Amino acid sequence: DAGITQSPRYKITETGRQVTLMCHQTWSHSYMFWYRQDLGHGLRLIYYSAAADITDKGEVPDGYVVSRSKTENFPLTLESATRSQTSVYFCASKKGQGRDNEKLFFGSGTQLSVL
Amino acid sequence: AQKVTQAQTEISVVEKEDVTLDCVYETRDTTYYLFWYKQPPSGELVFLIRRNSFDEQNEISGRYSWNFQKSTSSFNFTITASQVVDSAVYFCALTSPKSRDSNYQLIWGAGTKLIIKP
Repeated sequence: DAGITQSPRYKITETGRQVTLMCHQTWSHSYMFWYRQDLGHGLRLIYYSAAADITDKGEVPDGYVVSRSKTENFPLTLESATRSQTSVYFCASKKGQGRDNEKLFFGSGTQLSVL
Repeated sequence: AQKVTQAQTEISVVEKEDVTLDCVYETRDTTYYLFWYKQPPSGELVFLIRRNSFDEQNEISGRYSWNFQKSTSSFNFTITASQVVDSAVYFCALTSPKSRDSNYQLIWGAGTKLIIKP
């Protein structure tokens, strides 16, 4: 019962570098999400995906790129990391829409520091 | 626009006290879902409950209970006889599956940090 896993757990990088955060789920859930969590802002949606090859912007997409070539994977790339992207990143998934499908399952998070 | 307000930024109580976390929401949709999630110090977000807009029955799960009142647009969470392990940040969230405005996504409150002192 692997569930949803994120890697790495911690990452330190420098301004201007490209960084990719990985997310993998074993349930074949249709929807996957990337959130960032910052003090004073709660959880903010970066990107989401309703199915393989379908992605859409959330509340704070600038500076991020996602792809979903396979249902189980949803990597998040910071093309040129900035200090303002220092945050805790959470990946989440849900089965579908409506009733029991609306429950979100979260990964353990990736703590990213951009120096 | 949809919105979730958790006015209590931080609550601190002594173990065994009862504590209520407030959640007030705004939506124009008639079909919606409300959630509570817990984020313990370890950081992972844990689902606690989902309530749909057509079910106003209050729910109890052990020491946890939830009071859903559509008349006041509130979905409050009460912990009875609190324990140190209840210390966490608690988030309330809202989604409207048929709402274009919400982009079918969860709208999150800012969270309430609950500190239970031994």
